Amino acid sequence: AQSVTQLDSQVPVFEEAPVELRCNYSSSVSVYLFWYVQYPNQGLQLLLKYLSGSTLVKGINGFEAEFNKSQTSFHLRKPSVHISDTAEYFCAVLNTGFQKLVFGTGTRLLVSP
Amino acid sequence: NAGVTQTPKFRVLKTGQSMTLLCAQDMNHEYMYWYRQDPGMGLRLIHYSVGEGTTAKGEVPDGYNVSRLKKQNFLLGLESAAPSQTSVYFCASSFLGDQPQHFGDGTRLSIL
Repeated sequence: AQSVTQLDSQVPVFEEAPVELRCNYSSSVSVYLFWYVQYPNQGLQLLLKYLSGSTLVKGINGFEAEFNKSQTSFHLRKPSVHISDTAEYFCAVLNTGFQKLVFGTGTRLLVSP
Repeated sequence: NAGVTQTPKFRVLKTGQSMTLLCAQDMNHEYMYWYRQDPGMGLRLIHYSVGEGTTAKGEVPDGYNVSRLKKQNFLLGLESAAPSQTSVYFCASSFLGDQPQHFGDGTRLSIL
């Protein structure tokens, strides 16, 4: 069975600093990978996705992620964060055979002035 | 364009009561999903549907039933609510199973 690990439950960072949110997955077959963001009292919004092709994926709001097949990782990065980036971020993996998303437990990004 | 709409947004129930959560999407998506979100556990799939008239069990289906009588609607039912079902429930939809999912804003359900 596939699984997703987000090791950091909370990441505090100062405004305009860079940030990396880590995601590792386990799967024996090909996967699609996603990052979602959840703002308080809202549903999840898609940040970016990796389906195939270039391993560096750019998403909305200046975020990007790199797919590393050998390390089974899909870390999310942003070079300079804003207060408005404070939210919870979820990594998710889709086994192309099962067509069901499996989510990590989430990382809360806290951006302070 | 409303996207995915969940009704109601909040509800408080007593143990043993029943209720139905409604999810409606206007994107003509084939696939629809119900998740529950609990602190520290991410989102867990309860049931899903791959098309009108179909339903299937997810990771945590016990205590819930679903129906997809119309393509645009996916109903989640609790026949006899239990405190362990206190959670935030999210509905999502996608055009196909391997496409990104679109989420509603959630239903916050408390069972006393």
